[in-house]
Amino acid sequence: NAGVTQTPKFQVLKTGQSMTLQCAQDMNHNSMYWYRQDPGMGLRLIYYSASEGTTDKGEVPNGYNVSRLNKREFSLRLESAAPSQTSVYFCASNRGVTYNEQFFGPGTRLTVL
Amino acid sequence: GQQVMQIPQYQHVQEGEDFTTYCNSSTTLSNIQWYKQRPGGHPVFLIQLVKSGEVKKQKRLTFQFGEAKKNSSLHITATQTTDVGTYFCAEGGSRLTFGEGTQLTVNP
Repeated sequence: NAGVTQTPKFQVLKTGQSMTLQCAQDMNHNSMYWYRQDPGMGLRLIYYSASEGTTDKGEVPNGYNVSRLNKREFSLRLESAAPSQTSVYFCASNRGVTYNEQFFGPGTRLTVL
Repeated sequence: GQQVMQIPQYQHVQEGEDFTTYCNSSTTLSNIQWYKQRPGGHPVFLIQLVKSGEVKKQKRLTFQFGEAKKNSSLHITATQTTDVGTYFCAEGGSRLTFGEGTQLTVNP
């Protein structure tokens, strides 16, 4: 099992450009999450999907959109990138049962110039 | 999710010394999870605590959940260079709220 995979690993964008971060999991998990991590600020939830067909805003959703394409895949889109979106983005998944550990992907390091 | 405050933000120790990080909340927590993130890596689940006063051990790591379920701690005995990384606590059910983490460096 590959677990949680993310593409790309690195990306540099210019202000105003758009891009989609891809995430897939092969653990048959119900819930999937997108976080951003900035120095000294821990992990902040952007969006999550409790189950296939549903998505909900997290703590910092502005400037992002998501799509739960199927049970395996959850993508994060930046429509018009801004320098404030320079960060490391992590995708995670879990079974969705309360008190269940989250499994994280390797992350995407995004720089917006 | 509820807010969890984690201290200290940074900790530098000599190899062999002990290390403790604390996670605190002003309200009762449903549970606490602990994660470790190596430099340049991704968070990896360590453990979950659910019961009041719960204590769990993993080799040199000891995890505690307070009696009032408002605080938790992670203690590492005799640190090694392999313990380097950032330790996060997190609270919640399927949707977690993470503390800001404690970054541990170990001097050999």
